[in-house]
Amino acid sequence: SQQGEEDPQALSIQEGENATMNCSYKTSINNLQWYRQNSGRGLVHLILIRSNEREKHSGRLRVTLDTSKKSSSLLITASRAADTASYFCATQGAQKLVFGQGTRLTINP
Amino acid sequence: SAVISQKPSRDICQRGTSLTIQCQVDSQVTMMFWYRQQPGQSLTLIATANQGSEATYESGFVIDKFPISRPNLTFSTLTVSNMSPEDSSIYLCSVLEVTGTQETQYFGPGTRLLVL
Repeated sequence: SQQGEEDPQALSIQEGENATMNCSYKTSINNLQWYRQNSGRGLVHLILIRSNEREKHSGRLRVTLDTSKKSSSLLITASRAADTASYFCATQGAQKLVFGQGTRLTINP
Repeated sequence: SAVISQKPSRDICQRGTSLTIQCQVDSQVTMMFWYRQQPGQSLTLIATANQGSEATYESGFVIDKFPISRPNLTFSTLTVSNMSPEDSSIYLCSVLEVTGTQETQYFGPGTRLLVL
């Protein structure tokens, strides 16, 4: 299975701090995507990084991908209370998207 | 990005009954998917809804339990048949949008199902 595994499972930080979440996977991929989910609602697509890319930025988000280690990280800088959510990595190969177990992020005011 | 709507947004059903969930996309898409998210869990792919042909089911999911229709490139339905409390989950429709060489998957708001 190429299912991603994320760590930590839960992360609680103070507002303004940076949050880092990691994702590991098992097989080769076409791309890796990060999603956010607020309180059991639909998923919001955050960022996509292709297998030939190493780093990508979008606003306060920074994603890295290390295909040799089959791992990715999502960094949220200057966190805000509104960033409180579950974050999922998902790997794409052969048009199928396979999700990791997610990281529950809590931003404390 | 594609805009996806689902109906109903939530429902409470009795065991043994069936519920059909609708997914509507605002543009034509080739690939549509159905996912399940059990309470506190991640998303699991149920099947790929193929336009004009039978859906492709993942391991552990069968057509008799989760029949899927895909009559055109903007619409699909998922039926949860003969429901039991274990079917209580969020069911999400998803589409694959291809822009150049980039493939991005977008999700609907989900249907929250509670089976009593």
